Amino acid sequence: AQSVTQPDIHITVSEGASLELRCNYSYGATPYLFWYVQSPGQGLQLLLKYFSGDTLVQGIKGFEAEFKRSQSSFNLRKPSVHWSDAAEYFCAVGARWQTGANNLFFGTGTRLTVIP
Amino acid sequence: DADVTQTPRNRITKTGKRIMLECSQTKGHDRMYWYRQDPGLGLQLIYYSFDVKDINKGEISDGYSVSRQAQAKFSLSLESAIPNQTALYFCAVGTAKTYEQYFGPGTRLTVT
Repeated sequence: AQSVTQPDIHITVSEGASLELRCNYSYGATPYLFWYVQSPGQGLQLLLKYFSGDTLVQGIKGFEAEFKRSQSSFNLRKPSVHWSDAAEYFCAVGARWQTGANNLFFGTGTRLTVIP
Repeated sequence: DADVTQTPRNRITKTGKRIMLECSQTKGHDRMYWYRQDPGLGLQLIYYSFDVKDINKGEISDGYSVSRQAQAKFSLSLESAIPNQTALYFCAVGTAKTYEQYFGPGTRLTVT
């Protein structure tokens, strides 16, 4: 069955430091992978997506993610974190539900705190 | 991105009351979704609809019902609210071509 694991519940980084948020998925076929960000009091905003092709994908706000099939991972990275990046980040995989419909499965999220 | 609106944004209600959360979108996407978000649990799918005549249960549909009044409108109802339905509720829209979904701003529901 498909699943998404975000092993880090909460990460704290200093402003200007680099960031990597981990995401591992379980899915039998080629996955469609996404990262969403949720700022406090806001809905989820799509940061980036991977469907096929180049395994390093660029997103908005200076984020990038790398798909590694051998590790079943899709980690999110940013070289220099800004205070405004403090938010909750969700990894998701597009997969088939038991009904046969294509939907998204979300991880439980990683909360990012940025300290000055 | 899809323009997805949700009303109300915040609601406090009492146990046993019926409540409806509404979602509308202006981009013509055919697929609409209702999710519930609880701290530490991520997003759980309540119901989804691929067109006006297609309604499907998600992971946690018990205690909820939905109505797709039009392509652009998808409502979530709690027939008799209970305190453990206190949560943040999101509507999302998407297309058949991709898995991408675009989210509304959310409704914070508190059941006392």
